[in-house]
Amino acid sequence: EVQLVESGGGLVQPGGSLRLSCAASGFAFPSYWMGWVRQAPGKGLEWVAIIKPDGSEKNYVDSVSGRFTISRDNGKNSLYLQMNSLRAEDTAVYYCARGATRDAYFSYWGRGNLVTVSS
Amino acid sequence: DIQMTQSPSSLSASVGDRVTITCRASQDISRWLVWYQQKPEKAPKSLIFGASNLESGVPSRFSGSGSGTEFTLTISSLQPEDFATYYCQHYNSYPLTFGGGTKVEIK
Repeated sequence: EVQLVESGGGLVQPGGSLRLSCAASGFAFPSYWMGWVRQAPGKGLEWVAIIKPDGSEKNYVDSVSGRFTISRDNGKNSLYLQMNSLRAEDTAVYYCARGATRDAYFSYWGRGNLVTVSS
Repeated sequence: DIQMTQSPSSLSASVGDRVTITCRASQDISRWLVWYQQKPEKAPKSLIFGASNLESGVPSRFSGSGSGTEFTLTISSLQPEDFATYYCQHYNSYPLTFGGGTKVEIK
């Protein structure tokens, strides 16, 4: 069974940093694109970042580019999102998601982890 | 960036009704479109990929159609467990973008 479990969220002050982790199991993690999608309270879904199976290609939404860094450790079956210079508008539930086998959409999602940016 | 516009933003329907949700892309995305269902406090779940391909395990009352810039998600006979919010998302290019969502409520 595919499982994605996020951790590392919480309350942080504006300008602060936080690192989200996603522990993956039940599939061959090194073979799949992985990404992060967020959802602000009461709002819709927003794609944040995506990373190639070998980590050689990364893409970001403009609003986080230069502040957030996606990475992975295939030996630990783990995905990360380093978030720096956090702003109030980054407040959201952050979902870890796995790419589909043959298409470039997200076929499995974690339960999400809340990040709150507030003073 | 490709903008995805969903309509309506919400609808009320009864069990057994046929429901159609529309998603329009601001430019041609071929068939690189996925539909998700999200229930309150839950993660999204993919229903349809490639505009019209049903995910394994998804009931056949769900169907998708379209290509280019206009797409539809149809629920042929709405069931109690289908009351949720539905999102479209393109995967033609970066940035990946979602529609604003359609909330399907009980009439």
